[in-house]
Amino acid sequence: QVQLQESGPGLVKPSQTLSLTCAVSGGSISRGIYYWSWIRQPAGKGLEWIGHIYTSGSTNYNPSLKSRVTISMDTSQNQFSLNLYSVTAADTAIYYCARVPGEFSGTDPWGQGTLVTVSS
Amino acid sequence: DIQMTQSPSSLSASVGDRVTITCRASQSINNYLNWYQQKPGKAPKLLIYAAFFLHTGVPSSFSGSGSGTDFTLTISSLQPEDFATYYCQQSYTTPHTFGQGTKVEIK
Repeated sequence: QVQLQESGPGLVKPSQTLSLTCAVSGGSISRGIYYWSWIRQPAGKGLEWIGHIYTSGSTNYNPSLKSRVTISMDTSQNQFSLNLYSVTAADTAIYYCARVPGEFSGTDPWGQGTLVTVSS
Repeated sequence: DIQMTQSPSSLSASVGDRVTITCRASQSINNYLNWYQQKPGKAPKLLIYAAFFLHTGVPSSFSGSGSGTDFTLTISSLQPEDFATYYCQQSYTTPHTFGQGTKVEIK
């Protein structure tokens, strides 16, 4: 059973880079046909799709964040990462990593989520 | 981007009630529509994918229907554990946008 776990700093200063890692257990991120995704949720608000990286390494990003975001994967560590540059208070949210088996599948499983606060 | 609009934004219902939540896409998404349940402090859980396929382990009291631009999530008999917020999401094209959510509260 595949499980995902986010990790990274809980506090980031404005204008700096938010960096999170998602460790995957119970399956290899380099095998199969999967999209490895990042989704965020500001407190008390809805879900925002950030982007994903395909098993092959190709990426897709939300145009609203495209100029500031990079998703990468480390197959040797079986993990994938999110970098969000030049953050502001508006980037404060719970960040989730998740797996998508394909466009015709839903997102499952999800990590438990990690709260990142942008503040000086 | 494809906009996803859910209605209602919230509803109050009693245990045993039949509940229907609607999701409308700003353009056709065929059947690329997923439904999630989220409880406070928890990650969303997949309920239904591709408009009407029940995810593994999800009670049969949940069902999905629709195609094109209009979709529905139905809970046939609301149980205490079903009080939560529900989101639709399109996976037809990136960005994979979500609806704003529907909060189901106890009447």
